[in-house]
Amino acid sequence: EIVMTQSPATLSVSPGERATLSCRASQSVSSNLAWYQQKPGQAPRLLMYGASTRATGIPARFSGSGSGTEFTLTISSLQSEDFAIYHCQQYNNWPYTFGQGTKLEIK
Amino acid sequence: EVQLVESGGGFVQPGGSLRLSCAASGFTFSSYWMSWVRQAPGKGLEWVANIKYDGGEEYYVDSVKGRFTVSRDNAKNSLFLQLSSLRAEDTAMYYCAKITWDQDFDYWGQGTLVTVSS
Repeated sequence: EIVMTQSPATLSVSPGERATLSCRASQSVSSNLAWYQQKPGQAPRLLMYGASTRATGIPARFSGSGSGTEFTLTISSLQSEDFAIYHCQQYNNWPYTFGQGTKLEIK
Repeated sequence: EVQLVESGGGFVQPGGSLRLSCAASGFTFSSYWMSWVRQAPGKGLEWVANIKYDGGEEYYVDSVKGRFTVSRDNAKNSLFLQLSSLRAEDTAMYYCAKITWDQDFDYWGQGTLVTVSS
């Protein structure tokens, strides 16, 4: 099983600033990596797939990068609606696995 | 508009069973793989099972193999998850999700809560 490790567990950032979230895979997942956003009481929402392709309707301030084992989600200028939990997921190998999540909170 | 609506969750004693359903609309259900993902209270997401668009292949996380069964009825645009021999650690919100051709999950339902307790 591929273990996905996200860091940090909690990230405190001020509105308007940049946020950088990391996700590491225990072995290569190529570019088969997705990012999801989840707000309290809501289902996850797909943000990014193929490591760097924004899903439909996702603003350009969200960007993804990386391949192999190291991945990054960057939010260039945080808006109030961006404070949430972010999950990464690999879908390169069964079982598909998620990271434990990074909580992005207002500083 | 794609919609996924889960139902069937509830309170059940250890060893019991439940059948979860997911009603799909807004896309050609029979053309897509579907998935179940769960989230224990306050915890991260855990992939549970996938089923091929024609029902011909199924995949499960090890912790549910032999206890859970995923199925679908393409004529009724419905996805199911039969949960048996339930344990306390199966307590979670269960989401159904549509899988894209790239295998990421592009639409999710709002979830149905399963609580296993004596």
